[in-house]
Amino acid sequence: DAGVTQSPTHLIKTRGQQVTLRCSPKSGHDTVSWYQQALGQGPQFIFQYYEEEERQRGNFPDRFSGHQFPNYSSELNVNALLLGDSALYLCASSPWLSGADTQYFGPGTRLTVL
Amino acid sequence: EDQVTQSPEALRLQEGESSSLNCSYTVSGLRGLFWYRQDPGKGPEFLFTLYSAGEEKEKERLKATLTKKESFLHITAPKPEDSATYLCAVRGNTGFQKLVFGTGTRLLVSP
Repeated sequence: DAGVTQSPTHLIKTRGQQVTLRCSPKSGHDTVSWYQQALGQGPQFIFQYYEEEERQRGNFPDRFSGHQFPNYSSELNVNALLLGDSALYLCASSPWLSGADTQYFGPGTRLTVL
Repeated sequence: EDQVTQSPEALRLQEGESSSLNCSYTVSGLRGLFWYRQDPGKGPEFLFTLYSAGEEKEKERLKATLTKKESFLHITAPKPEDSATYLCAVRGNTGFQKLVFGTGTRLLVSP
């Protein structure tokens, strides 16, 4: 059973550029959440997608946007990159209607902004 | 606003030396408290979910407990491979499945 997968593993960008990160949820899961984890900090919730709609959003600017596809996979887009966007970006998946609360995380994408 | 505080920030143990990690939380209607293990540069690995005060769960050398204000992760006779950062997170009833994390406890177990 494949777990949550993310691509790419690492990414280096310069300030002002745009980036797209990708996530495939665990088999049987239809909900995807994105988190940002700065070095030495806990993950911070960015937003969550279910049925191709953003269901909840954390305290992140509009430069952060996302999308969910019919196969439940998801993308995170960040525009006008800032140095402070350098972090580990984590995707987590869970089933929406089962009532199960546990979110399973992928390995993350390490984004470095120069 | 939901909040999680973990202590200590870092903990160094000798192999076999048991100890506990603390997670204090404030949340509007606890819908679940979660423990994860995270190795450097990797994604968090799920350990336990606790839902109500008094609940306990065990897995190998780890045991998680929950009260109305805090949770403990007890580590019995740890081994060097238990070295990792342990993250605590809560889900409140303010909506959907958003998790609020603490900053974690970095555990180092020396042989």
